[in-house]
Amino acid sequence: QVQLVESGGGVVQPGRSLRLSCAASGFTFSTCGMHWVRQAPGKGLEWVAVIWSDGSNGNYADSVKGRFTISRDNSKNTLYLQMNSLRADDTAVYYCARDRYGSGWSYFDYWGQGTLVTVST
Amino acid sequence: EIVLTQSPGTLSLSPGERATLSCRASQSVSSYLAWYQQKPGQAPRLLMYGASSRATGIPDRFSGSGSGTDFTLTISRLEPEDFAVYYCQQYGSSLPLTFGGGTKVEIK
Repeated sequence: QVQLVESGGGVVQPGRSLRLSCAASGFTFSTCGMHWVRQAPGKGLEWVAVIWSDGSNGNYADSVKGRFTISRDNSKNTLYLQMNSLRADDTAVYYCARDRYGSGWSYFDYWGQGTLVTVST
Repeated sequence: EIVLTQSPGTLSLSPGERATLSCRASQSVSSYLAWYQQKPGQAPRLLMYGASSRATGIPDRFSGSGSGTDFTLTISRLEPEDFAVYYCQQYGSSLPLTFGGGTKVEIK
């Protein structure tokens, strides 16, 4: 069965960096686009970034553009989110989610359980 | 950016009742709309895509309709496990992908 397992969350000071990982299993990872979606405590869902199946294209929400980088290693079935210059408003549960298609973007048919990132002094 | 507005914010109903949730887009998204269910402490789960297609394993008491800018998710008879927060999401022709603010379906 499809499994997405995020890791790497924690407490970090403003301005510092953190890298999240998402280990995928149960499907052919290299054929699926992947996303990061976040949810601030008690708030709704916010799309963060997408990467195409072959890693050739990444797109970002304006709120993270220039600070976050999405990447993937298809040989390791792993998705990453490098987060730099973190701010308090980046505090959220970060979910990785599978796109229904390999290129472009669509909806999220499978989600991980999420990893909490807290940006605080 | 396409803004999705969900209404009502909270729906108070009893098990067995019908729930009707609305999602309105600020511009046409054709039928590129999905619905998700989220329970406390859990990740969202895909319910519907293409506005009216049920995802794998979703019971047929869930149905979706609409196109363009106005969409509806209907739960024909609420089961105890259906009390949750529901989000719509558009995946039209341009980024960013956006979600509605959510509708909480609570037990009356």
